[in-house]
Amino acid sequence: EAQVTQNPRYLITVTGKKLTVTCSQNMNHEYMSWYRQDPGLGLRQIYYSMNVEVTDKGDVPEGYKVSRKEKRNFPLILESPSPNQTSLYFCASSLFPTSATYNEQFFGPGTRLTVL
Amino acid sequence: GENVEQHPSTLSVQEGDSAVIKCTYSDSASNYFPWYKQELGKRPQLIIDIRSNVGEKKDQRIAVTLNKTAKHFSLHITETQPEDSAVYFCAALNYGGSQGNLIFGKGTKLSVKP
Repeated sequence: EAQVTQNPRYLITVTGKKLTVTCSQNMNHEYMSWYRQDPGLGLRQIYYSMNVEVTDKGDVPEGYKVSRKEKRNFPLILESPSPNQTSLYFCASSLFPTSATYNEQFFGPGTRLTVL
Repeated sequence: GENVEQHPSTLSVQEGDSAVIKCTYSDSASNYFPWYKQELGKRPQLIIDIRSNVGEKKDQRIAVTLNKTAKHFSLHITETQPEDSAVYFCAALNYGGSQGNLIFGKGTKLSVKP
């Protein structure tokens, strides 16, 4: 089954304790992205990757890191989480966005993170 | 960078009525405009999209229109049903540019009353 998976789905942690949220897709997609969703603010892009070893900042990258060592994986790293990073996080993937490709972004199930 | 404004933030309609959600974008280079539906507790899912070389696209009860000159696009849902109740997001992307970030609007919560 074609899908995007994220782990963990729920996480409660404390300020300053490093954590990683994993994201994996099995559709051979070049493009992967991380979003955070907060009430009233919609979906805001944190980082995205156009291909292996290529990552770029989105609108709200502060406090986050990513890596793209393999095509299928795009982990989100919070080196020193703070309470303002409490949010719902979505990973998404798609084919490389061009005029000739189908550009739908497939979203993972989401990770609800609480930082105390 | 691109900025996408979406209105209204909430919309309540009676079953069977039409619903219209409007978005404006700032970057004239944007050329791909998707709409996503997010049901409560679920992930966003694409419902329809339009490219800049097309003015209108329909899929059953859903249609999207694009006005490139005015830099706005709209989602139209006809004969609304209770299962249309969800949050809808518009977005804009320039897929030909060096940046590939998809910018979303803040969302519209649509409630369809039986």
